Amino acid sequence: DTAVSQTPKYLVTQMGNDKSIKCEQNLGHDTMYWYKQDSKKFLKIMFSYNNKELIINETVPNRFSPKSPDKAHLNLHINSLELGDSAVYFCAAGVAGGRGTQYFGPGTRLLVL
Amino acid sequence: AQSVTQPDIHITVSEGASLELRCNYSYGATPYLFWYVQSPGQGLQLLLKYFSGDTLVQGIKGFEAEFKRSQSSFNLRKPSVHWSDAAEYFCAVGDAGGTSYGKLTFGQGTILTVHP
Repeated sequence: DTAVSQTPKYLVTQMGNDKSIKCEQNLGHDTMYWYKQDSKKFLKIMFSYNNKELIINETVPNRFSPKSPDKAHLNLHINSLELGDSAVYFCAAGVAGGRGTQYFGPGTRLLVL
Repeated sequence: AQSVTQPDIHITVSEGASLELRCNYSYGATPYLFWYVQSPGQGLQLLLKYFSGDTLVQGIKGFEAEFKRSQSSFNLRKPSVHWSDAAEYFCAVGDAGGTSYGKLTFGQGTILTVHP
């Protein structure tokens, strides 16, 4: 069974479109994260949710809106896509407090044309 | 603010040779440290982690890392590299602060190439 899954795996879209990426975890962890990996492979946290509550928002544009319908899901919606949004987006799940391991999903490769 | 530096962008070794990937961190307290590996087109897999206790930690796939507080380092080692170890390796520090809920700050990554 996949611990953290993301859909879609690949996403190619035009500038200005709105798109969503879904993430689901079956680990039972209470904290989920979104990370962005840019073209230089630099990984940076975007958001974190703990028990469906937003706890980290790292100066991400308002066009990005995470939504957590329940503890097992953390979706990422992006409005008015821009070229600079092209990246790989990773979802992760872990235990609050930093002590536990964060388990990463396979990533969603977004290309904005 | 916490930060992680991986000084080597790209390392090439021969199969069977030993490996050491460097990682230096900046953090105000005792850090939680991690090494992850990313194979091409794949997600991140945890190799090992350090929270406290023994400063030499063992991980999967024959990797180990040593935490040296005096040098603010957490270098990854493997005595004999296999061709399948070719990948990108990321060092990360976890923030254990009360409001950070364990966000990870990653280094820039080190690409490992293995020659036969």
